[in-house]
Amino acid sequence: DQQVKQNSPSLSVQEGRISILNCDYTNSMFDYFLWYKKYPAEGPTFLISISSIKDKNEDGRFTVFLNKSAKHLSLHIVPSQPGDSAVYFCAAQPNNYGQNFVFGPGTRLSVLP
Amino acid sequence: KAGVTQTPRYLIKTRGQQVTLSCSPISGHRSVSWYQQTPGQGLQFLFEYFSETQRNKGNFPGRFSGRQFSNSRSEMNVSTLELGDSALYLCASSLGHRNTEAFFGQGTRLTVV
Repeated sequence: DQQVKQNSPSLSVQEGRISILNCDYTNSMFDYFLWYKKYPAEGPTFLISISSIKDKNEDGRFTVFLNKSAKHLSLHIVPSQPGDSAVYFCAAQPNNYGQNFVFGPGTRLSVLP
Repeated sequence: KAGVTQTPRYLIKTRGQQVTLSCSPISGHRSVSWYQQTPGQGLQFLFEYFSETQRNKGNFPGRFSGRQFSNSRSEMNVSTLELGDSALYLCASSLGHRNTEAFFGQGTRLTVV
């Protein structure tokens, strides 16, 4: 039973345009959410996070939106750059006592020059 | 500031053997978590250690174990290796173990033959 879903396995965007990556979760016990970027044969790189008490968090070109009622979050990248091409993982942390993230399956983003 | 360091980067083992992987967290980080990444199952949480104590454990058999030392360095051990244990094993460190981002190492690629 997949608790964190990323329903788009891949996404292609033109350089300079907006990339929107989506994530849905089923467990209402999740209260902290993160986005990671991953290149092949490397560990995930932290991008941005959001607590369930907020609905938006922004860091440079990256903005994460959280809709708790819909159990949905999204990552916006503006403007998209070719170096953003990677696999993006959404992760959620339950409100128990620990750093046990539940990861989605990932979305492969390709930014075309 | 040095990142999370995992050794070795690559490992080939035979079925039935055991293996120990090492992780040195970012200086000052006290929480270390381990994840397994496979093409079929994605990124899955193995366990988390904080102040030398296992705080959380994922749904893996008892052949997977770990420990944390007083300097926060961590090791994970897999005994009686099976072909299905072939994966990228990732270590992540965090300052605390609630609502903080985790920083990943580059991983250890384990191949069981």
